[in-house]
Amino acid sequence: TQLLEQSPQFLSIQEGENLTVYCNSSSVFSSLQWYRQEPGEGPVLLVTVVTGGEVKKLKRLTFQFGDARKDSSLHITAAQTGDTGLYLCAGIDSWGKFQFGAGTQVVVTP
Amino acid sequence: DTGVSQNPRHKITKRGQNVTFRCDPISEHNRLYWYRQTLGQGPEFLTYFQNEAQLEKSRLLSDRFSAERPKGSFSTLEIQRTEQGDSAMYLCARTGNPGANVLTFGAGSRLTVL
Repeated sequence: TQLLEQSPQFLSIQEGENLTVYCNSSSVFSSLQWYRQEPGEGPVLLVTVVTGGEVKKLKRLTFQFGDARKDSSLHITAAQTGDTGLYLCAGIDSWGKFQFGAGTQVVVTP
Repeated sequence: DTGVSQNPRHKITKRGQNVTFRCDPISEHNRLYWYRQTLGQGPEFLTYFQNEAQLEKSRLLSDRFSAERPKGSFSTLEIQRTEQGDSAMYLCARTGNPGANVLTFGAGSRLTVL
């Protein structure tokens, strides 16, 4: 059972377009993270957000954490083919356990 | 190199056989996690350790699954009497270096049960 819901499940766009993926939870987490996973590899951390309302930028990626710390979004500007992958959000509870959402599969075509 | 080595990378077995996966993190004295991932899904929590102590085991996990971390360094995940539904990628991850709240994953062990 996934406590974190991600939407959409799948997203296919062309190079240069923008995209946004969402992560929502009914629970409050002490912090929330975004990972990207490529085929045959484990997920790799992109960012951690801790404070409600926080916005973090990582080059063309913008991450937002909702005021109530129960939802987050990832926005990619001018997507590139190298952005293709499975984007996962993960919540860290007060015991240090990481729970993942089902992921959004992003495909960027040339 | 993520500093988390998993072996074997691929395992094909017949239903009813036992399998064991091993995870070697780069350093000790950190937390070690096991997850299961099926195609198109996110990692599903199985269990985690602080040193050699098993802190929690998922209630979704049947008694056929057992994990150990005997010396607080490497860990093993054993599945007894495998079923076709056990086919998945089994991921190991550690915290620490770069941080206590950063999960660093291995490349996983893919299990196929025929």
